[in-house]
Amino acid sequence: SQQGEEDPQALSIQEGENATMNCSYKTSINNLQWYRQNSGRGLVHLILIRSNEREKHSGRLRVTLDTSKKSSSLLITASRAADTASYFCATDEGGGNKLTFGTGTQLKVEL
Amino acid sequence: DAGVIQSPRHEVTEMGQEVTLRCKPISGHDYLFWYRQTMMRGLELLIYFNNNVPIDDSGMPEDRFSAKMPNASFSTLKIQPSEPRDSAVYFCASKGQRNYTQYFGPGTRLTVL
Repeated sequence: SQQGEEDPQALSIQEGENATMNCSYKTSINNLQWYRQNSGRGLVHLILIRSNEREKHSGRLRVTLDTSKKSSSLLITASRAADTASYFCATDEGGGNKLTFGTGTQLKVEL
Repeated sequence: DAGVIQSPRHEVTEMGQEVTLRCKPISGHDYLFWYRQTMMRGLELLIYFNNNVPIDDSGMPEDRFSAKMPNASFSTLKIQPSEPRDSAVYFCASKGQRNYTQYFGPGTRLTVL
């Protein structure tokens, strides 16, 4: 079963704009990770945020975590056409091994 | 450094046939995971191994599915007999003991006719 529900399911923006996608989950977590999947490829890890962290940055990525609302958001600033992909949140309920993936957001960045 | 290697990349077979998917994890990684991705169910964890030992196979859909890891550098996922509803992309991933990040292979796209 899927732990995370992502919103929106699909997002289309112009190059240079910011993209925000959200993830909601149901149970207590140890950490939350975001992965990217290009069409026809495997998933690639982007960033991890621990349950005791509220915000984390990595390059053009900004992740927030609100454990009281059981939600996370991923912001991609100054988007590029190469950012076109599906983005998944994944929750780790403890142990660091068993991840439960969300439904994903399909991002399309147009020139 | 080579990433996770999966073979074949594409497999088309007929219902009732045996299918074997293969995975070579990243050298030095202690954990290996098998996932299945479909439009309807998303990405599901089927089974994972630690040091070649199956730890959690609760995601394996039915007895037709089996997975083995005979050594640290090789794992197989077998479906026997295959059914059309097994059509999906199967991913293998690995990770190190002290790392939360999972590294995914390119996947095997399985089509069962």
